[in-house]
Amino acid sequence: GGIITQTPKFLIGQEGQKLTLKCQQNFNHDTMYWYRQDSGKGLRLIYYSITENDLQKGDLSEGYDASREKKSSFSLTVTSAQKNEMAVFLCASSMGERLFFGHGTKLSVL
Amino acid sequence: GDQVEQSPSALSLHEGTGSALRCNFTTTMRAVQWFRKNSRGSLINLFYLASGTKENGRLKSAFDSKERYSTLHIRDAQLEDSGTYFCAASHQGGRALIFGTGTTVSVSP
Repeated sequence: GGIITQTPKFLIGQEGQKLTLKCQQNFNHDTMYWYRQDSGKGLRLIYYSITENDLQKGDLSEGYDASREKKSSFSLTVTSAQKNEMAVFLCASSMGERLFFGHGTKLSVL
Repeated sequence: GDQVEQSPSALSLHEGTGSALRCNFTTTMRAVQWFRKNSRGSLINLFYLASGTKENGRLKSAFDSKERYSTLHIRDAQLEDSGTYFCAASHQGGRALIFGTGTTVSVSP
């Protein structure tokens, strides 16, 4: 079996700060995703990538950048953290349609 | 509006009983997946269905694309079944999953 590793597990930032979240997978999956989960809401897609160096916008891409440096890694950047923002960011990968998720990065902005 | 409507938002069960979660779709979906968020916060993939039903232990899921719904049945609930369950569906011709808002299941002795 494979694993998806997200770093860091917890991230505390300051308002206006640029923050980067990282994701690694060893499934050898082609497609990787970044989702955001807010309390009381379903997961919303920020960006996804179908192969190395590819980038596709999701519904929530504004305020974020992403980079698929190589097949196994997909990073997400919050370009300017919003005060009191609190959410969990979930990375996922898939070969075909079945998704597998990482443990998440919990973001708090002071 | 929301394309995936999940209900109920919360469900309390006694050990040994069962119930069903449901997701209704406002448009035709190609496939559905069900996930459970465990105590560590990980989303575990329970089922992937493009049609019909699948069973895994005490869990059973069904998906009817034409009638635009999917269900997840829990039978003989155990304490370890507690957690938040999400359905997620993909459009015809689309790649991204659209998630429901989740059902928090609490199983008590």
